[in-house]
Amino acid sequence: GQQVMQIPQYQHVQEGEDFTTYCNSSTTLSNIQWYKQRPGGHPVFLIQLVKSGEVKKQKRLTFQFGEAKKNSSLHITATQTTDVGTYFCAGPQMGGNEKLTFGTGTRLTIIP
Amino acid sequence: GAGVSQSPRYKVAKRGQDVALRCDPISGHVSLFWYQQALGQGPEFLTYFQNEAQLDKSGLPSDRFFAERPEGSVSTLKIQRTQQEDSAVYLCASSPNRGPNIQYFGAGTRLSVL
Repeated sequence: GQQVMQIPQYQHVQEGEDFTTYCNSSTTLSNIQWYKQRPGGHPVFLIQLVKSGEVKKQKRLTFQFGEAKKNSSLHITATQTTDVGTYFCAGPQMGGNEKLTFGTGTRLTIIP
Repeated sequence: GAGVSQSPRYKVAKRGQDVALRCDPISGHVSLFWYQQALGQGPEFLTYFQNEAQLDKSGLPSDRFFAERPEGSVSTLKIQRTQQEDSAVYLCASSPNRGPNIQYFGAGTRLSVL
């Protein structure tokens, strides 16, 4: 079945440093979605990328979707304590239904 | 309501007990999803409805798990004869089935089976 891996599993950064998480799917995705889950919370939608090679920015966050639509990345510039949480990529399989296969997640902690 | 509502927020069950988890999706949302999230892991798909039709139940781990959405709105996930390995957070999400089709998640039900 479809598998979505993320690296790294954990990342500890000093406040103000940059952070990147990488997402790789075993199958082609029709789109990629990113979610943030705070400790004890539920996944909250951040963004959706649909086109091959697409890049989107949200303030300090930059999202990329690979040319083959099998990988993606999230980069945060100048992290802040509010960025703490686990970041998940997720996507529906190309040609499949809407169900999302979530990545393994990257847990970000910030050292003040 | 404004968001996806799930109840109860927490459920403690004795092994072998039956439980029912409820999800109220965002009004007007056509699609409804159930996911299971074990501690420290990402959500895993269980089942999916479009209106009242259950289109995909490939993620249900066993025949002890049953989901329904009889009127195309509220959904119930039922787990019969609960086992310790059923302990997890059960997340419900809904989407409008149009446009970018984003899934909006509820706060989840944390199930602990003793």
